[in-house]
Amino acid sequence: AQSVTQLGSHVSVSEGALVLLRCNYSSSVPPYLFWYVQYPNQGLQLLLKYTSAATLVKGINGFEAEFKKSETSFHLTKPSAHMSDAAEYFCAVSLRRMNTGFQKLVFGTGTRLLVSP
Amino acid sequence: EAGVTQFPSHSVIEKGQTVTLRCDPISGHDNLYWYRRVMGKEIKFLLHFVKESKQDESGMPNNRFLAERTGGTYSTLKVQPAELEDSGVYFCASSLTSFLDGYTFGSGTRLTVV
Repeated sequence: AQSVTQLGSHVSVSEGALVLLRCNYSSSVPPYLFWYVQYPNQGLQLLLKYTSAATLVKGINGFEAEFKKSETSFHLTKPSAHMSDAAEYFCAVSLRRMNTGFQKLVFGTGTRLLVSP
Repeated sequence: EAGVTQFPSHSVIEKGQTVTLRCDPISGHDNLYWYRRVMGKEIKFLLHFVKESKQDESGMPNNRFLAERTGGTYSTLKVQPAELEDSGVYFCASSLTSFLDGYTFGSGTRLTVV
C-alpha cells in the first residue's frame, strides 16, 4: 500500500532563505506524487505533480520538487522564501484501483511553513 | 469558471444530531471526491463518485455516514448521528476526466461536534 511521510510538522525560515519541505513515499508500484498547498481559509491548491516524466518538476510560485527513486523522496524546494509562502503544504501519492483505474490520493500529515521577516 | 463550492463553511452541532454537508463541483466534472482531515492528522479519502455512481467508498468510516450525488451534479454527505470523533474538516474535490490533471478542491467544511 502507498504511504507518505512528511518530516516536520512545522518549518520556519526567514524571508529570502531556502525552503525545503521533506516528503518520503512508500509504493509497491511506480508512484504518481503531488504537492498541494493550503492557504488560510482556502482549499487545497495543486503546486506540482510527478507523473513519471521528468524527475525534476517545476510548479507554481517558484516551487520545484525532485523525484529520487533511490531515496524514495519527493522533497519540495524554493530558492527564496516570500512572506506569501506561509501556508500548510501536503505531499500526496496516488493510489490506483487495479480494476477501474480510478485513483485516490494518500496524503501526508502536512507541514506548516512559517516565514519570518 | 466557478470553483468547487462547499457549504456550510463551518458547522457546530451537538453529539447525536444530524448534519448535512454539501458540495457543488465544477460544472461538467463527472468525478467527485470527499476527503476528511481530523484534528491535524492526514487528509483521508472517504469516497469517489463518477456521475451519480459510487466508484469507491472504502474510506467511509462507518454507516453513520451517507453520501449521495443525485443526478450527477452536487453531492451531500450526511452524518447521522454525529459523534465527537467526527469533528474535522471535510473537503470535496472534483475532476473532469484524467486524475493526473489533479483535483480542484473546495475550501472545506469545518465540522465541530460538541
